[in-house]
Amino acid sequence: DTAVSQTPKYLVTQMGNDKSIKCEQNLGHDTMYWYKQDSKKFLKIMFSYNNKELIINETVPNRFSPKSPDKAHLNLHINSLELGDSAVYFCASSPQGAKNIQYFGAGTRLSVL
Amino acid sequence: GNSVTQMEGPVTLSEEAFLTINCTYTATGYPSLFWYVQYPGEGLQLLLKATKADDKGSNKGFEATYRKETTSFHLEKGSVQVSDSAVYFCATPGAGSYQLTFGKGTKLSVIP
Repeated sequence: DTAVSQTPKYLVTQMGNDKSIKCEQNLGHDTMYWYKQDSKKFLKIMFSYNNKELIINETVPNRFSPKSPDKAHLNLHINSLELGDSAVYFCASSPQGAKNIQYFGAGTRLSVL
Repeated sequence: GNSVTQMEGPVTLSEEAFLTINCTYTATGYPSLFWYVQYPGEGLQLLLKATKADDKGSNKGFEATYRKETTSFHLEKGSVQVSDSAVYFCATPGAGSYQLTFGKGTKLSVIP
């Protein structure tokens, strides 16, 4: 019974395409996040939502648009994909009162050709 | 905002060797400190934490002590196993209350 699940696990696509990654958590957490991990394992926060409201929006191209239909879901849509978008994208969530205890999904490896 | 700096890897050890992965922090005040671990093909998971100076976090044989004198939170394990092979991240709260700032990660490989 996966706590934070994201789909797909792998995504291979051509430059210029639009793609989405879905994330769902069944932990009852209020806050969800998207991170990008590059090939050197460096992890960078992209977005954070708390109760469906955007809290953190780091310097990310506006081709990236998060959507939170409810507090259990935070999807990531990417328009006009570029080679530099190739990375592993992680979704995470954290409970109220313990924002720094984050639970991560298994990641989506995006390859842009 | 707060930041952490951890030793770069990769680190390769033989089974049963002693492990130290260094992490130092820069902060105003004394923020909570964390070690997260990422096993191959998986997301990160919390390994241990310390919320104030002199606290010792421990889990699965790993330990780290929050030392304000040296602004450090080094991760140690007395005898590593092959199953400890993973990437280890030091972390601290970032600029906002909803943000964690991670170090660059240290890849550990343990060989039999």
